[in-house]
Amino acid sequence: DAGITQSPRYKITETGRQVTLMCHQTWSHSYMFWYRQDLGHGLRLIYYSAAADITDKGEVPDGYVVSRSKTENFPLTLESATRSQTSVYFCASRLSGRQETQYFGPGTRLLVL
Amino acid sequence: GQQVMQIPQYQHVQEGEDFTTYCNSSTTLSNIQWYKQRPGGHPVFLIQLVKSGEVKKQKRLTFQFGEAKKNSSLHITATQTTDVGTYFCAGPKAAGNKLTFGGGTRVLVKP
Repeated sequence: DAGITQSPRYKITETGRQVTLMCHQTWSHSYMFWYRQDLGHGLRLIYYSAAADITDKGEVPDGYVVSRSKTENFPLTLESATRSQTSVYFCASRLSGRQETQYFGPGTRLLVL
Repeated sequence: GQQVMQIPQYQHVQEGEDFTTYCNSSTTLSNIQWYKQRPGGHPVFLIQLVKSGEVKKQKRLTFQFGEAKKNSSLHITATQTTDVGTYFCAGPKAAGNKLTFGGGTRVLVKP
């Protein structure tokens, strides 16, 4: 039972580079989410998706792009990385409705130099 | 917009003691969920409360949903070192399908 996986787990990049963080889930969950976690800010929603080809902005979408061509994958791209995007990124998925549990991936630790 | 606040932000607890962390929403919630994140780990679902005044227990953890469905609490009895981590509450936004997370309570246990 692979569940929800993220890759890479750790990434170091430089300012201005494009970076893509991958998220894959094996449960056929409809909803997928990207959060960033910074000290003192808890979990902040970047983007989410209700189904394949349906995405919407969260609280902090600037500087990020997402796509969801397949139900199981939800990549997050930093088009031109900035130091302020150094963070821990968590992908999550949920079966459907608002009363369903969210399952989080193991996270990607990103350092932008 | 909807806000979910947690207090305290940090909790230092002597091993064996009890403590409570609180979650308050600016709006009425249809349900509230609690997650635990161990140091270096990812948030893991603990429990969901749906009914007004609901109380649920998981071993030494007691979760309560307020009568007005705007607040919740987590009480841990006889704290152990395994309780170390950050506890988040989360509630769904009134519109849409997003969860709003509180800032978390980071629990440190002194042996």
